[in-house]
Amino acid sequence: DVKVTQSSRYLVKRTGEKVFLECVQDMDHENMFWYRQDPGLGLRLIYFSYDVKMKEKGDIPEGYSVSREKKERFSLILESASTNQTSMYLCASSPRTVNEKLFFGSGTQLSVL
Amino acid sequence: GENVEQHPSTLSVQEGDSAVIKCTYSDSASNYFPWYKQELGKRPQLIIDIRSNVGEKKDQRIAVTLNKTAKHFSLHITETQPEDSAVYFCAASIEGNNDMRFGAGTRLTVKP
Repeated sequence: DVKVTQSSRYLVKRTGEKVFLECVQDMDHENMFWYRQDPGLGLRLIYFSYDVKMKEKGDIPEGYSVSREKKERFSLILESASTNQTSMYLCASSPRTVNEKLFFGSGTQLSVL
Repeated sequence: GENVEQHPSTLSVQEGDSAVIKCTYSDSASNYFPWYKQELGKRPQLIIDIRSNVGEKKDQRIAVTLNKTAKHFSLHITETQPEDSAVYFCAASIEGNNDMRFGAGTRLTVKP
């Protein structure tokens, strides 16, 4: 069974802090994604990566950056956390083509105070 | 880019009734349409998907229909059960583009 692991289930940070959200998958998937989930807005794509060191902006990349130094790991970085970035963050991975099942992590609930 | 709209945002049905959730998409090049179910406190999981070369797909009590001309697709759940209560997300993607866009979600409640 594919496992997508997010390092933290809950995280509380202060405004202005630099925040790292880590995601690791164990199925050698090429594609990895970061989504943000907010009530009434569904899942919004922040960034995705289709290969090591490759990244593409999604719909809401402002205030975020990503890093993919190894195939299995995709990190989301909040350079200077703000209160409007309080949200549930979901990582996902999929095989070579995105027209395949997405495997999601359990999510990280981030609160920025 | 692709834009996916989903309706209704909430849906309440009696156990045993049918439930229908509808989605529209904007980019006619989209050719893959999955549906994800997210139970409370859990991760989204794929329940059914359809590709643009077919108009309907069934899996037991769940079915999805696709109308490419109108650019909309729907999820149909028959004989609903309390365990069907969850948030359902539709999504669309374009082959060759390595991303997927989701609808805003529908919270389905099945009353015993």
